Amino acid sequence: KNQVEQSPQSLIILEGKNCTLQCNYTVSPFSNLRWYKQDTGRGPVSLTIMTFSENTKSNGRYTATLDADTKQSSLHITASQLSDSASYICVVHKRSNDYKLSFGAGTTVTVRA
Amino acid sequence: NAGVTQTPKFQVLKTGQSMTLQCAQDMNHEYMSWYRQDPGMGLRLIHYSVGAGITDQGEVPNGYNVSRSTTEDFPLRLLSAAPSQTSVYFCASSYSSDYGYTFGSGTRLTVV
Repeated sequence: KNQVEQSPQSLIILEGKNCTLQCNYTVSPFSNLRWYKQDTGRGPVSLTIMTFSENTKSNGRYTATLDADTKQSSLHITASQLSDSASYICVVHKRSNDYKLSFGAGTTVTVRA
Repeated sequence: NAGVTQTPKFQVLKTGQSMTLQCAQDMNHEYMSWYRQDPGMGLRLIHYSVGAGITDQGEVPNGYNVSRSTTEDFPLRLLSAAPSQTSVYFCASSYSSDYGYTFGSGTRLTVV
């Protein structure tokens, strides 16, 4: 079973609307949680990185939240634009001496005019 | 522009053929890694390196070899291609485990 589960698998929203993506994880002990944006045919690009002590972090219209007690994170997209159409991937880094990450399968967001 | 460069972008192989996927970064990152991305699944780690001359296996290493002779380059070799290796391959690098990873644009490989 994947240690990082994302929901929904996909969603369609109208331009200008907001949406929220969910990420639940079981990775323990926890070091940091990352959200990446992956455009079709491109590699993932980092949006935010949050450590255990951080509850929220913003990057422009993207706001990530983290509840380390319940092992949940969310990514909120405000006033969506057509360029927000992409896959959003939640990634958790286990607290250890290596660089191994656990990736969610991603949520595909389609923004329509 | 600084970043991670992968070549080729697309490749079709016949079963049993071998090939090397190239990955180069110009950010002086010590850590480099290879992932494969399949539909409906998260990226899975194939091999990684924490510095020149040091490599280690990830979660799906079978059928792949790597070497790290320089800080900049981290090639991935497919020894004898199989249809199960049809996937999109990403190379990534990082300054340290607490920093974000920089990904290449990917290589889409089809094995027929």
